[in-house]
Amino acid sequence: KQEVTQIPAALSVPEGENLVLNCSFTDSAIYNLQWFRQDPGKGLTSLLLIQSSQREQTSGRLNASLDKSSGRSTLYIAASQPGDSATYLCAVLFGNEKLTFGTGTRLTIIP
Amino acid sequence: NAGVMQNPRHLVRRRGQEARLRCSPMKGHSHVYWYRQLPEEGLKFMVYLQKENIIDESGMPKERFSAEFPKEGPSILRIQQVVRGDSAAYFCASSPSTGNNNQPQHFGDGTRLSIL
Repeated sequence: KQEVTQIPAALSVPEGENLVLNCSFTDSAIYNLQWFRQDPGKGLTSLLLIQSSQREQTSGRLNASLDKSSGRSTLYIAASQPGDSATYLCAVLFGNEKLTFGTGTRLTIIP
Repeated sequence: NAGVMQNPRHLVRRRGQEARLRCSPMKGHSHVYWYRQLPEEGLKFMVYLQKENIIDESGMPKERFSAEFPKEGPSILRIQQVVRGDSAAYFCASSPSTGNNNQPQHFGDGTRLSIL
């Protein structure tokens, strides 16, 4: 069964610190992996997409890595800000057109 | 270029009524996906459609739920005879082509369905 897991479910970090969010998946045969941000009561904002042939992608203070052999991805956020507080979702495209989502990590940046 | 548009944003129905959720994909996108997010749970795939065709409906309940994406107009997710357990956020996503071309799915803001 193809599953995506995100641990921890919640994380609180003081402002200014760097942090890492984790995502693991059960099947290494993936097409791509996306990281999303979801604010309370809002939709999903796509942050980064890593293709299966890539090892990392960067956008501003965000860096996402992909290790297919170990079934892991990380989202690194540098110099965290209160505005980064949100739920971060990892989603994997296993090749059947439908994204499989993790349950997310709820991030709180403490001013 | 407008993003994925979903309406209504909020929908309240009484048990037994019908709910119709609409999704207009991004311009140039011919692939539409519906996902459901139950309270305190992750998003779960429901159905994948291309124009006038249902490609994969493996995540959609067999009864009361249906989806369409006509040649003209938005994609519609219909829920008949709604029950309390249908209360959730329903998200639509679109992409210009198949996922194995590494095109990201773009999501709308969702429709929050509440059943009284």
